[in-house]
Amino acid sequence: EDQVTQSPEALRLQEGESSSLNCSYTVSGLRGLFWYRQDPGKGPEFLFTLYSAGEEKEKERLKATLTKKESFLHITAPKPEDSATYLCAVQAWSGYSTLTFGKGTMLLVSP
Amino acid sequence: NAGVTQTPKFRVLKTGQSMTLLCAQDMNHEYMYWYRQDPGMGLRLIHYSVGEGTTAKGEVPDGYNVSRLKKQNFLLGLESAAPSQTSVYFCASTQEILYGYTFGSGTRLTVV
Repeated sequence: EDQVTQSPEALRLQEGESSSLNCSYTVSGLRGLFWYRQDPGKGPEFLFTLYSAGEEKEKERLKATLTKKESFLHITAPKPEDSATYLCAVQAWSGYSTLTFGKGTMLLVSP
Repeated sequence: NAGVTQTPKFRVLKTGQSMTLLCAQDMNHEYMYWYRQDPGMGLRLIHYSVGEGTTAKGEVPDGYNVSRLKKQNFLLGLESAAPSQTSVYFCASTQEILYGYTFGSGTRLTVV
């Protein structure tokens, strides 16, 4: 059974204080690891797909990295508008495989 | 605007009542999904469809039925609502899973 564990559950940062969110996963053959952002009262918004260990992707102040067991979402010099819940999900190589989501990390960036 | 539209946005049901949640996408996506999101539980897959006329069970299918008669629409039905089905329901679609899902804005359902 595929499993995704995100830590911490919640993180509070000051504006400009860089940090990282963790996503640990167990999957029978990783096809892709996904990061989504979810604002309160809205649906998740796709950020990145990572396919193999060593891969990195960037978008503005966010950079996602991937190893064989975990992924990190690095947030550099965050701003209050980066406040959201960040979700990690994995997809395995098995037929019409669907995504398995973690429970998310709630990020609050204070000015 | 292109995207995923969910109807209704809010609903209160009494135990035992039935209802249908509608998801419509105008991106010609093949894959469509229904998730529920509960505090502390994350997103859990209810049912999904890999194309018009197809449906499959997800992680938590009990108490729900789905239909995909038209490619652009994916309906989620509750035949006899229970308080345990109080949740926020999200629909999502994609043409290729690795490109990421497009989610709707959600339906907040309360069963009393």
